[in-house]
Amino acid sequence: KQEVTQIPAALSVPEGENLVLNCSFTDSAIYNLQWFRQDPGKGLTSLLLIQSSQREQTSGRLNASLDKSSGRSTLYIAASQPGDSATYLCAVRTGANSKLTFGKGITLSVRP
Amino acid sequence: ETGVTQSPTHLIKTRGQQVTLRCSSQSGHNTVSWYQQALGQGPQFIFQYYREEENGRGNFPPRFSGLQFPNYSSELNVNALELDDSALYLCASSLLRLGLGVSEQFFGPGTRLTVL
Repeated sequence: KQEVTQIPAALSVPEGENLVLNCSFTDSAIYNLQWFRQDPGKGLTSLLLIQSSQREQTSGRLNASLDKSSGRSTLYIAASQPGDSATYLCAVRTGANSKLTFGKGITLSVRP
Repeated sequence: ETGVTQSPTHLIKTRGQQVTLRCSSQSGHNTVSWYQQALGQGPQFIFQYYREEENGRGNFPPRFSGLQFPNYSSELNVNALELDDSALYLCASSLLRLGLGVSEQFFGPGTRLTVL
C-alpha cells in the first residue's frame, strides 16, 4: 500500500528565503508525481507534474525533483514571497489508471 | 476551455439525510475522480469514473455512490449522512487514453459539506 509523508507539517520563513519542501513515498514503482497548492478552504491547484521517467520539472520560481529509488521528491521555491503562503501537497500515482495518493501537506507561511 | 466546476459551494445537512454533489469536468477530459478531504488531512480517494463506469474505488462504504453522464459530468451521492462525512469534497478530471496513459489531473474548487 502506497503511503506518502510530508514533514514538517508547517513551516514559517521570512520573505526572500529559498526553501525546500520534502515528500517521501513508500512504493518506488510510481507512474507520476504531482505537487499541488491549496489555499485555505479552496480546491487544489496543480503546480508541477513529474513523470516516472523524469528527474525534475521547473515552472517559474518552482522546481520539483524526483528520486524514485529513494522514494523522495522535493519542491524548491526560490525567493519566497508572502503570496506563496499556502498548503503544499504531494501526490503519487502508481499506475496510469490509478488514484492519486496524497500526503497531508505542508502549510507554508512566508513572513513579510 | 473551461476548468473543473463543482456545485454547490457549501451545503449543510443533518444526520441521516442524503446529499448529491455535482461536477463538470474540464473540456476534453473523459475521467472524473472524487476525493474527500477532512480538515487538516490530505484528500482521500473515493472513486473514479471512466466512460460512465466506475473503474476504481477507495475504502468508502456503499452509501457513497456516483454517476458519470455522457457529457462526462458526474454526481456524488451520499446516503444516511454521518457526522464524520463533514469534509471538503473535491472532484478532479483527466484524459485517459488506453495504452497511452493519463494526463495531468485538474481539480475543482470543492464542495464544503457540513453534517449536523
